[in-house]
Amino acid sequence: GENVEQHPSTLSVQEGDSAVIKCTYSDSASNYFPWYKQELGKRPQLIIDIRSNVGEKKDQRIAVTLNKTAKHFSLHITETQPEDSAVYFCAASIETGANSKLTFGKGITLSVRP
Amino acid sequence: GAVVSQHPSWVICKSGTSVKIECRSLDFQATTMFWYRQFPKQSLMLMATSNEGSKATYEQGVEKDKFLINHASLTLSTLTVTSAHPEDSSFYICSATDDPIQYFGAGTRLSVL
Repeated sequence: GENVEQHPSTLSVQEGDSAVIKCTYSDSASNYFPWYKQELGKRPQLIIDIRSNVGEKKDQRIAVTLNKTAKHFSLHITETQPEDSAVYFCAASIETGANSKLTFGKGITLSVRP
Repeated sequence: GAVVSQHPSWVICKSGTSVKIECRSLDFQATTMFWYRQFPKQSLMLMATSNEGSKATYEQGVEKDKFLINHASLTLSTLTVTSAHPEDSSFYICSATDDPIQYFGAGTRLSVL
């Protein structure tokens, strides 16, 4: 089955700096890659996703890049703010309709220092 | 985005009792819902895939008789933790699919005494 690796487990950046979080996946058939943000005690929230037919997607301060050949994808956050502090999970799935299961990485705790 | 309601948000029960957790999609119909378990500072572990009108598909290592799942309508799935024991204490989260996006409930923290 799919295996999603996420490193490192923690990342600390200064407010205003950029943060990059990387994930790798094992199944070359995976074609959908969402990123979720989970604040302490709250539900995971989808922040951005990408499909395998594109290499990059951007939404304001957040962008995701995908390298299918190397089987890795990255989340880029620019101009970080304290409210960006949270746990970020990457995930991968093979889109087969409503039953598509997500395989999550272990998550990375991002801390933005004021 | 779509809204998924999960309740209760927190439950404390005695060992040996059963606890039911509800997951509802409020503004869309979800033929598929997922149930996850999350340990502190760890990732989301998929327990089972719940399909409306059919039996749930459980992940390897998850006891189906322990974690009963019912998905009776397109907007409601329930997870019942039967004969709960302290080791079942955890954070349980559901999600509902508005394909392919999964929207998560707020989670249920279960504490078994």
